[in-house]
Formats: sequence, structure tokens, C-alpha cells
Amino acid sequence: DTAVSQTPKYLVTQMGNDKSIKCEQNLGHDTMYWYKQDSKKFLKIMFSYNNKELIINETVPNRFSPKSPDKAHLNLHINSLELGDSAVYFCASSPRLAGVTDTQYFGPGTRLTVL
Amino acid sequence: SQQGEEDPQALSIQEGENATMNCSYKTSINNLQWYRQNSGRGLVHLILIRSNEREKHSGRLRVTLDTSKKSSSLLITASRAADTASYFCATGARGGSEKLVFGKGTKLTVNP
Repeated sequence: DTAVSQTPKYLVTQMGNDKSIKCEQNLGHDTMYWYKQDSKKFLKIMFSYNNKELIINETVPNRFSPKSPDKAHLNLHINSLELGDSAVYFCASSPRLAGVTDTQYFGPGTRLTVL
Repeated sequence: SQQGEEDPQALSIQEGENATMNCSYKTSINNLQWYRQNSGRGLVHLILIRSNEREKHSGRLRVTLDTSKKSSSLLITASRAADTASYFCATGARGGSEKLVFGKGTKLTVNP
């Protein structure tokens, strides 16, 4: 199936731990994104990569570090997890980047719970 | 700052009725998109309307865009229980920014 996939789907961890979320898309898209959706369903962009290059870096704590080994993968590493990091994290991809916000294709989300 | 604001926050209707959701935004856009999110799932793109378009249809969906009022509406006709979901508008800002800014969503419940 062509899709955006994320692992893990659920992640429960203790405060202070470091964790990673992985994302892969096999749609051949050039651009990938990380979003955070809080408990009130508000969805906010965190990062965007275009062909492995960081292009959007919103005001996100330095504890969050994205990594794109190739244009089909965008991982999110989070250091020293805090209670406020609990949320659902979505990966997304879009076909192109040319100053136009294109349709985005979302993964199923990773529900992170920090205890 | 947040771009889109959906209205109402929640909407409950009976199957077969039409559902209308509205979205207002603040700055100039190059397009506006609507997405659906079923409970516990990722967002699914429904429709994109460009800033030079006024109306667009896709199946039972009808989207309008009024750039002078900076607002859009999503109409779902002949609703079904399977339409139960949260609906989000997202705007792409004019001027080269590639990011989408999402509203808080309208939670639609269609009762069988």
C-alpha cells in the first residue's frame, strides 16, 4: 500500500527519557512534516524537510530534533521528555515545494504519553 | 498565530441532513484546504480551493471561498453516520510560506 507510516503507534514513557518516532512515506514526495496535536485537537506544525533539507523550524524546544536520512524518511527524536510533550504526533508528506502549500498526506499518528 | 477558526466547534445532526461548517482566516492565502479526521486516525485531505476560485464540488462536498470576507464553508449534503469526524480547514499563506496552518476543527456527529 502506498502511504505514510509511523512507528510506534503508541509510546508511553517516563519523564526525562529520550525517545524516537519514525516516519516513512512511499509516495515519492519531496516534502515531509512533523505536526503536534494537543489534547484540544489543535494541530501545529513543528518541522518540515524538503529533500532532506530543513525548511520549516517552528518555535520548538531544542529537545526536539528531526532527522531525514533520505527524502522518504523523517524521524523525530525527543530528549529529556516532559509531561507537556504528551500529545499525538503526526507525520505528513506532500508532493512538491514551490512556494505553494500543496495537499498533505498524513500518517496515522503516534500517541505519546509521558508519565 | 493561528490562521483558521472553524465554526461551530461541534455540530450534531441526523442522518440525511446537510452539515455546514465555516472557517475564517486572517491573512492572504494562496489556497484553503479541508481535512477530515476520524477518531484516533490521521487527517485525510478532502478538497483544496485556490484563492481565485469561489466554489468547488467533490461528491457530496461543496466548498465555497470568499476572499473578501476571508471565510470558507464546507457543506456536506445528505450526511451519513460515516461522516462523523472532526473537520479542519487549513490555509496556505500567500507569499511563499510552504506551511499549512490548521484551525481547531469542527466535531461533526451524524446520528443514525
